[in-house]
Amino acid sequence: KNQVEQSPQSLIILEGKNCTLQCNYTVSPFSNLRWYKQDTGRGPVSLTIMTFSENTKSNGRYTATLDADTKQSSLHITASQLSDSASYICVVSENYGGSQGNLIFGKGTKLSVKP
Amino acid sequence: DAGVIQSPRHEVTEMGQEVTLRCKPISGHDYLFWYRQTMMRGLELLIYFNNNVPIDDSGMPEDRFSAKMPNASFSTLKIQPSEPRDSAVYFCASSRGANYGYTFGSGTRLTVV
Repeated sequence: KNQVEQSPQSLIILEGKNCTLQCNYTVSPFSNLRWYKQDTGRGPVSLTIMTFSENTKSNGRYTATLDADTKQSSLHITASQLSDSASYICVVSENYGGSQGNLIFGKGTKLSVKP
Repeated sequence: DAGVIQSPRHEVTEMGQEVTLRCKPISGHDYLFWYRQTMMRGLELLIYFNNNVPIDDSGMPEDRFSAKMPNASFSTLKIQPSEPRDSAVYFCASSRGANYGYTFGSGTRLTVV
């Protein structure tokens, strides 16, 4: 069964510190992996999208890595800010060979950044 | 661009009533998705359209749920009759295609009492 597992479930860090969120998946065939940030009461916002051939992708203080061999991804947040407090959702797309694959969503990691 | 626009933002209705959620996707996006989010199950795909045509509705929970996309700029998700277990946040998202990011709307928080 295709699954996306995220860890930790929740995380509390102090402002200015770095943190790393993990995503393991069993989705096959694989098309791409996305990280989304979802603020409370808002829709998810795309941070990064990585295909099979990409190992790392950055978006400001967010850096995502992908190891397609071990089926693992991480999202590293540098110099955290209070505004980083949100849920971070890992999403893996199946490859149907067509124009749109099925998305498998993780349950998310809830990050709280404290002053 | 105003992004994906959903209405209403909040809906409280009594069990048995009909509920209609609305979505305006981003102009030029060929794909439109309806998702439901709950604490227990996270984000679940209900249905998606490509060029206004429903492609996969396997996530629609039961016949009480229906979705339409009469044109490229408008879609509705209807629940009739509504039940308390339908209470959730419903998101609409649009995309240009498989390897593009999805743009989500702000969601409709539905409460069925």
